[in-house]
Amino acid sequence: GQQVMQIPQYQHVQEGEDFTTYCNSSTTLSNIQWYKQRPGGHPVFLIQLVKSGEVKKQKRLTFQFGEAKKNSSLHITATQTTDVGTYFCAGQTPRSNDYKLSFGAGTTVTVRA
Amino acid sequence: ETGVTQTPRHLVMGMTNKKSLKCEQHLGHNAMYWYKQSAKKPLELMFVYNFKEQTENNSVPSRFSPECPNSSHLFLHLHTLQPEDSALYLCASSQQGYNSPLHFGNGTRLTVT
Repeated sequence: GQQVMQIPQYQHVQEGEDFTTYCNSSTTLSNIQWYKQRPGGHPVFLIQLVKSGEVKKQKRLTFQFGEAKKNSSLHITATQTTDVGTYFCAGQTPRSNDYKLSFGAGTTVTVRA
Repeated sequence: ETGVTQTPRHLVMGMTNKKSLKCEQHLGHNAMYWYKQSAKKPLELMFVYNFKEQTENNSVPSRFSPECPNSSHLFLHLHTLQPEDSALYLCASSQQGYNSPLHFGNGTRLTVT
C-alpha cells in the first residue's frame, strides 16, 4: 500500500533560523496536503499542492511539490515561537473511487528562543 | 475555530465500561471520518462514511462501533476497551473526492484504565 514518509521526525530550531521538512511517497500522488497541529490541539489544514513542481507560499512558509509528484517539502524562514507544533503531510493517490489520505508521521518542531 | 465539534473532550473509562464519542459537523460536508492518534504514530484512519454509508473499515477491532445517522453526525461507540486503546480520537469531515481537505474536530482524549 501507499506509504508517506516524513523526515526529520523532530526539528529543534533556534528562533530566527530557517528549516525544511520533507515528505516522500512510495507512489505517485494526485495531490499533497499539509496540516499543522499545535501542542494539545488538532490538525489544521494549511495548504494543498496539485500540480507537478508547484510552489506555494504562505508568509514565511514555502511549500513545494516535486516534479514527479512523489515528494514535497515545507520550508520555514525566520522561525518564530508561533511555528511550534507538528507538521503533517498527507497524500492522495490517483485511483478511482479511492480518496483516502495517507498521512506521514509528522515533523515535530520546537523553537529555542 | 472549528466547524467540527466533538464531545466529550476528555474521557476516562474502565475496560468494562460502555461509552460513546460524538461528532457533529456544520460545514455541509458529505464525508465523515474517525482517526486515532497515538503517540509517535501516524494518524490512523479507522472509519469513513460517505453520504452516511460506511465505505472504509481499516481492520478496526469490533470493540469500536461507528454510527452515522445522517451526514452531519457521527458516533463512535466503545465497549470493553483495552489500555492500548488510550489515544486521541479525532473526527473529521470533508467533501468526498480529490483535493478536498479534512476539517478536524478538537478530538477526544481517551484514557482506558
